[in-house]
Amino acid sequence: SYELTQPPSVSVAPGQTARITCGAQNIGSKNIHWCQQKPGQAPVLVVYDDSDRPSGIPERFSGSNSGNTATLTISTVEAGDEADYYCQVWDTNSDRVLFGGGTKLTVL
Amino acid sequence: QVQLQESGPGLVKASETLSLTCTVSGGSVSSGNFFWSWIRQPPGKGLEWIGFISYSGSTNYNPSLKSRVTISLDTSKNQISLNLSSVTAADTAIYYCARDHVGVPIFYWGQGTLVTVSS
Repeated sequence: SYELTQPPSVSVAPGQTARITCGAQNIGSKNIHWCQQKPGQAPVLVVYDDSDRPSGIPERFSGSNSGNTATLTISTVEAGDEADYYCQVWDTNSDRVLFGGGTKLTVL
Repeated sequence: QVQLQESGPGLVKASETLSLTCTVSGGSVSSGNFFWSWIRQPPGKGLEWIGFISYSGSTNYNPSLKSRVTISLDTSKNQISLNLSSVTAADTAIYYCARDHVGVPIFYWGQGTLVTVSS
């Protein structure tokens, strides 16, 4: 079955760039979406269709997707970006939504 | 903009049926070609998609839960319902409802509701 693999954790200093990956076979052929979940809150979509941003999401959040890896990039990281991040895909083979295991972003 | 609010019992006994509703405001559950999903998150763990129902009532469920899950629409109340039968402690989780938008399956999220299964 198709699975999305994320690193459990990523750490970055304030002002630096964080990159969170989501890996799967030929993921570049699919549309990948990313959500952010802060402690005690519901997830919020931050990037969709690989690289588009919903209204209200800062330009610091961007995405790319090619080959076997999709990447969420957060530039000029702030303390408020500390959260869990999940990638999401619609798997057309099994007709279901899949989530990655999530990555905890720590701002040092 | 659409708003989603989950509600239901916060405590369910093992072997019984978990029943939740999602009340929608800012749009109709039976129009707009939308898909309405349920997702859950066990405490301290990741997200798991449970299934969805379309505006026309067609459903699709996660195979791992399919035998125990029913999702339905109540158009008179503008709600989506989730029933999960024969629950165990492993079903303890925050349950979210969600709606798609511009082809993204899970675009808008509700605030979630915690359900604890007691033995």
